[in-house]
Amino acid sequence: SQKIEQNSEALNIQEGKTATLTCNYTNYSPAYLQWYRQDPGRGPVFLLLIRENEKEKRKERLKVTFDTTLKQSLFHITASQPADSATYLCALDGSGAGSYQLTFGKGTKLSVIP
Amino acid sequence: EAGVAQSPRYKIIEKRQSVAFWCNPISGHATLYWYQQILGQGPKLLIQFQNNGVVDDSQLPKDRFSAERLKGVDSTLKIQPAKLEDSAVYLCASSSGQGLSPLHFGNGTRLTVT
Repeated sequence: SQKIEQNSEALNIQEGKTATLTCNYTNYSPAYLQWYRQDPGRGPVFLLLIRENEKEKRKERLKVTFDTTLKQSLFHITASQPADSATYLCALDGSGAGSYQLTFGKGTKLSVIP
Repeated sequence: EAGVAQSPRYKIIEKRQSVAFWCNPISGHATLYWYQQILGQGPKLLIQFQNNGVVDDSQLPKDRFSAERLKGVDSTLKIQPAKLEDSAVYLCASSSGQGLSPLHFGNGTRLTVT
């Protein structure tokens, strides 16, 4: 069956360091992958989308990589700040062509320590 | 642009009672989703609408859950009768449905069934 695993439930890092979050998947052939941020009591907020033919995508201090051979995406936050503390969710389209339907991982709770 | 609106924010009911949640998507967004997020888990898709038609409701427990999207705009999700395991946050999301447009989520309704 299709499975998305975000390897760490929680990740604590020191302010200023680079946070790296992992998303692995099995039994999917996604055309793209998305990352969302979720703060307590709020809905997820879209951050980045990366297509299967893109190795890397950047947006300000965020970087996403997508390795379809390893079936893995890495999400990096450089120069991390306490304001980056949140849960980060990866999501794949598991519906097949056309209907655009995202399946989410459990998320990784990132805590940036001042 | 105004975001996705959901109400109520919180609801506490006893098991076997009924409850309804309301969602108003971003204006012009053709696609609307209802997700269930149990504490510590990622959002799980319950139902997807395209305009006022159902695209996928394969994960909706139809013996107790129902949803409608009248006139292709607002949507309601109902649970009758509720069970203890229905305690979760119910998230509504919308997207323009154009290409790989991201999902825009509301802040959800937190349901507690006692």
